[in-house]
Amino acid sequence: SAVISQKPSRDICQRGTSLTIQCQVDSQVTMMFWYRQQPGQSLTLIATANQGSEATYESGFVIDKFPISRPNLTFSTLTVSNMSPEDSSIYLCSGGDTEAFFGQGTRLTVV
Amino acid sequence: QQQVKQSPQSLIVQKGGIPIINCAYENTAFDYFPWYQQFPGKGPALLIAIRPDVSEKKEGRFTISFNKSAKQFSLHIMDSQPGDSATYFCAARNAGGTSYGKLTFGQGTILTVHP
Repeated sequence: SAVISQKPSRDICQRGTSLTIQCQVDSQVTMMFWYRQQPGQSLTLIATANQGSEATYESGFVIDKFPISRPNLTFSTLTVSNMSPEDSSIYLCSGGDTEAFFGQGTRLTVV
Repeated sequence: QQQVKQSPQSLIVQKGGIPIINCAYENTAFDYFPWYQQFPGKGPALLIAIRPDVSEKKEGRFTISFNKSAKQFSLHIMDSQPGDSATYFCAARNAGGTSYGKLTFGQGTILTVHP
């Protein structure tokens, strides 16, 4: 199994600012993903974080709003840019090859 | 269609009962079907998973039943305990191509186990 650490665990941000969320995996994994979970809702895939190349975004999510970095096989970052209250959500990092494991999530509140 | 439909939305059982959560999918390109347990304020934790060449898998008190022809799978929790009270998500993973590894989640089931 893989242990995934995310930080920050929570943050309250002003609208118009940006927040970068970090995700660290304790072992090398080929696949890393970023999900969003609205309170009381299911998980929605934002993008696949590709090592050494640009992330692959799902419909409804764009690079300008959610830039992603993946410099190596154990680390990725997601930035939520130019935030608005609608971006208030839980952001989750997932990693793993044969099985998918999740971090604890980052609870973001935009005021 | 990349959907996974999960039911029921919520479920209440007494301690020792056997809650059953059901999921159905349409995309035959899924190759792996995990279940996650999520407690408030925590990330989803992998509970148990099954591949489509197996009809049943059991780990401790948790059992997955898989019906490939019906495109349905379910989670059974034997001898349920109050500590099992959580939200449960089923998911399905894309088998290949550009979507390989992506998980599609069901809507979630809030399970409450009364003492």
